[in-house]
Amino acid sequence: KAGVTQTPRYLIKTRGQQVTLSCSPISGHRSVSWYQQTPGQGLQFLFEYFSETQRNKGNFPGRFSGRQFSNSRSEMNVSTLELGDSALYLCASSLPRDSGNTIYFGEGSWLTVV
Amino acid sequence: AQSVAQPEDQVNVAEGNPLTVKCTYSVSGNPYLFWYVQYPNRGLQFLLKYITGDNLVKGSYGFEAEFNKSQTSFHLKKPSALVSDSALYFCAVRDANNAGNMLTFGGGTRLMVKP
Repeated sequence: KAGVTQTPRYLIKTRGQQVTLSCSPISGHRSVSWYQQTPGQGLQFLFEYFSETQRNKGNFPGRFSGRQFSNSRSEMNVSTLELGDSALYLCASSLPRDSGNTIYFGEGSWLTVV
Repeated sequence: AQSVAQPEDQVNVAEGNPLTVKCTYSVSGNPYLFWYVQYPNRGLQFLLKYITGDNLVKGSYGFEAEFNKSQTSFHLKKPSALVSDSALYFCAVRDANNAGNMLTFGGGTRLMVKP
């Protein structure tokens, strides 16, 4: 069974540009979440999508957005990139919420903003 | 609001010795607790979780964790450390009473196992 797949794995962008990251969840998983990991702030929740609807949102500016498609695949977009957006972006998937379903993470997308 | 504290940035242990990585949490409802491990330049790998039932939870690679409700703790343990256990460990909590799968993570503890 394939795990959570994230593309691209590595990318470099210039300040002011925008970036789109993609995530394919584990087959059958309909909940997809995104997290940002930085040395200074650690792991922070960005947002969660379930059945193409955003269900939860973290404390990030509106430049960070996402969406989920009918096949549960998800994308996140960051517009007007800032140096501080350099981070590892992790996607996670899980079965619909029940009594403690496990949340599985992908290998992440490393974003460097120069 | 929910929060997780991992009081030690780094834990050093000799190979073959027992290890403990500490975690305390705060959540308004019932907690779902998780441990993840991260190797260099990799994503998070699930180790174990506590949902309900037995306070001692066994997970992957010989790791276990003990849920202590009165102390709001969920410490990760292993009877005999291996050099290959050296990695970054994260404790996470989710409020069982809230819809969705939002995890709140601790700051991480780097485990160094020396031969």
